[in-house]
Amino acid sequence: KNEVEQSPQNLTAQEGEFITINCSYSVGISALHWLQQHPGGGIVSLFMLSSGKKKHGRLIATINIQEKHSSLHITASHPRDSAVYICAALNQGAQKLVFGQGTRLTINP
Amino acid sequence: SAVISQKPSRDICQRGTSLTIQCQVDSQVTMMFWYRQQPGQSLTLIATANQGSEATYESGFVIDKFPISRPNLTFSTLTVSNMSPEDSSIYLCSVSGTHNQPQHFGDGTRLSIL
Repeated sequence: KNEVEQSPQNLTAQEGEFITINCSYSVGISALHWLQQHPGGGIVSLFMLSSGKKKHGRLIATINIQEKHSSLHITASHPRDSAVYICAALNQGAQKLVFGQGTRLTINP
Repeated sequence: SAVISQKPSRDICQRGTSLTIQCQVDSQVTMMFWYRQQPGQSLTLIATANQGSEATYESGFVIDKFPISRPNLTFSTLTVSNMSPEDSSIYLCSVSGTHNQPQHFGDGTRLSIL
């Protein structure tokens, strides 16, 4: 079993829909990252959070430390949101990022 | 956040050759990392590049195959040596100020070995 599990692996939705991507982890963490990877390969750091909730534009990330679970939400989704979203846990002991397998999101117009 | 320039953005190489990938940051950073992303897979840490000393390699990665340099706080290189088709991947560098700060990633180098 991977230390960081994401669901779903693939998600297709229509423009305007509310999107939720889930991330569960089994390691002790210092923080959790949400990353966005576009088809060219480049990665953008969306959020780093260790508690509660963060919001940036249409993106919202939440984390529940007790349940070892985080979610990334996208409101009013748009085709330009189509990308792979990766959850990465900063391992508390080793201080290294442990990556989920990614969720491939496709938003159709 | 730091601006990272990674070169080349892509390359197609012959089996048995070596390629050096450069990572340049527009500001001094403490931590620099090199990752590999094999097709359809998530990222795997190759090594942490240490300024002025040998890189710290993860299990499964060795210096002879992936020599790394970090001459200063803004620049690092990763060489993929004696390449084989199994080395076809995206290679990414990332930087952060400390372990508790977000990592910022370069655009990656998409490497294909024939």
